[in-house]
Amino acid sequence: QVQLQESGPGLVKPSQTLSLTCTVSGGSISSGDYYWSWIRQPPGKGLEWIGYIYYSGSTYYNPSLKSRVTISVDTSKNQFSLKLSSVTAADTAVYYCARADNLYYGMDVWGQGTTVTVSS
Amino acid sequence: QSALTQPASVSGSPGQSITISCTGTSSDVGGYNYVSWYQQHPGKAPKLMIYEVSNRPSGVSNRFSGSKSGNTASLTISGLQAEDEADYYCSSYTSSTVVFGGGTKLTVL
Repeated sequence: QVQLQESGPGLVKPSQTLSLTCTVSGGSISSGDYYWSWIRQPPGKGLEWIGYIYYSGSTYYNPSLKSRVTISVDTSKNQFSLKLSSVTAADTAVYYCARADNLYYGMDVWGQGTTVTVSS
Repeated sequence: QSALTQPASVSGSPGQSITISCTGTSSDVGGYNYVSWYQQHPGKAPKLMIYEVSNRPSGVSNRFSGSKSGNTASLTISGLQAEDEADYYCSSYTSSTVVFGGGTKLTVL
């Protein structure tokens, strides 16, 4: 059974870059069967899709975050990562990684989420 | 890319049926049959309940059903149970991206 686990700093200073990693266990990212995604949820608010990556490196980003987001994949470590630059307090959120069969069907496996706070 | 519109809250009594709406545009909900619904309990990760408008993943109760008409999708929960109390989010595919609704809090009275 596939499991996803987010990791990274829980506190990031304003204007710096937020970096998170999602480790996939129980399955291989490079199988090519799935898309891998990042989603976030500010405190008390709704879900916001950040982007998808395919094992080949093809990426799809939320237009509102595209200028600050980079999602990458490391098939040798079975991980994919999120970098969000120039963060502000508005980027404080629980960040989830998730898996989807394709771009259309929704995300069927989720990590437990990791809280990132942007503060000096 | 604007968020899909959902009612902030709905409520129902055990055994009743409730419906949550999700309104978008012809560029998202109305343009594709790729609407998904998620259930989220407090402090937990979302769970996929419906995909492709009306399909249930394995293991999801058949009390949950989805439909779509024009630019509005709907999630119906029949035979309401206490465990159904949660936040529900719709999402839609749109031009190689995904947009979520603002979420609906379901209260089981």
